[in-house]
Parts: sequence; structure tokens; C-alpha cells
Amino acid sequence: DTGVSQDPRHKITKRGQNVTFRCDPISEHNRLYWYRQTLGQGPEFLTYFQNEAQLEKSRLLSDRFSAERPKGSFSTLEIQRTEQGDSAMYLCASTLAEVPDTQYFGPGTRLTVL
Amino acid sequence: AQRVTQPEKLLSVFKGAPVELKCNYSYSGSPELFWYVQYSRQRLQLLLRHISRESIKGFTADLNKGETSFHLKKPFAQEEDSAMYYCALSGSNDYKLSFGAGTTVTVRA
Repeated sequence: DTGVSQDPRHKITKRGQNVTFRCDPISEHNRLYWYRQTLGQGPEFLTYFQNEAQLEKSRLLSDRFSAERPKGSFSTLEIQRTEQGDSAMYLCASTLAEVPDTQYFGPGTRLTVL
Repeated sequence: AQRVTQPEKLLSVFKGAPVELKCNYSYSGSPELFWYVQYSRQRLQLLLRHISRESIKGFTADLNKGETSFHLKKPFAQEEDSAMYYCALSGSNDYKLSFGAGTTVTVRA
């Protein structure tokens, strides 16, 4: 197990296109978090899952954003009708139930919307 | 509303000098406080948790509830400490993190 992985690492798209990112957490980690980071800022919470249940979504997550975690393993984050303001680094993190306060981050997916 | 403030964007110190990164927070309740670090070309990783009261890589951080601060300190900075440091807080149930804007630390030889 090499840690949390994210795919793709970079995505360039045109405004109005849909994009989907994937996150594979560390095995047996039951919680999975998505964050977004823009230049010069710290990561901002978007949403999180406990197993397959999505427990909370930030107000930052507009209706164009949707996240899933089928079967409680990997997760996908989809952005529909992308806008230039969606350009950011999208980070995924996972935690083990026994140690919920230690989040392990993936390398991130950098999205550029032209 | 919860908020984390890191007043310094950039911090430059000489090797062997003390370094202190400031972090102030606002939170209604008792938060969990953390320091995360991102070295060049590496992913974000946990450095310290306030609840552990531990020293990691020579760094310590004391939670001051009266001043709502969680400053990170190291008495003798090393070149390998050069990195981006983020202060973060969470509740003790969901553990969703709120991050500060980060401080870039450069340790000069």
C-alpha cells in the first residue's frame, strides 16, 4: 500500500466541460475527505464520507459538484459545466476509524479550466 | 464560525536559530488543533496534534486557550525544515479540517 492515490494528477479542460477525479484511500480507511486548495490558500473542506455514506457537504460545493463513494472504497468527485473559478488543486485524504484525527493526504489533482 | 489565522506568509531564519510560526484560531467549543507540513514536491502530512503533546522533529506546539493560539516552535532550525506549514483545526467528531493560509519557512545556511 503506497498511501492515498489520486488520478489524474493534472487535468486541463475547457470551460463548460465535465471532469471526474478519482481517489483511492489507504486500505481499511473508512473515512474519506475531499478538499480544494487555491493558490496562496490552505485547503478548504468540500465533503466527507464514512464508508459509503456522504455525511457532510460544504456550502462551497455547488450543485455542479457531486461526489460518490460506492462500496465504501474509492471515491469520485465530478464537476459539471466547469468554470474558470474551479481551477484549483483537489486533495483527497483518508483516516482510519481507530485514529480519526490523523488524515493521510493524496498528491492531489490539479485542475486548470481554460 | 471557525477560522484559523496564520499572520506570516513567509518566514526566513538562519540555520541554528529559533523559529516560531504563529497560529490563532476562533472556534465555538473545544477544537482539535494540528500542524501539517508540506515539503517540496511532497504531499501534505501531519506534523503535530495538540492532544498528543509530543515533539516531532524538534517541533513543539502549545495550545493556549486563553489567547486562542497554537504557535509552533523549534529552538534550532535546520535546513531540512524548509517547507510550507499549515495550522488547522477540527471538531472532535467529524474531524473535517479548517486550514490557515500557510507559512512558508526558509532556513538559510
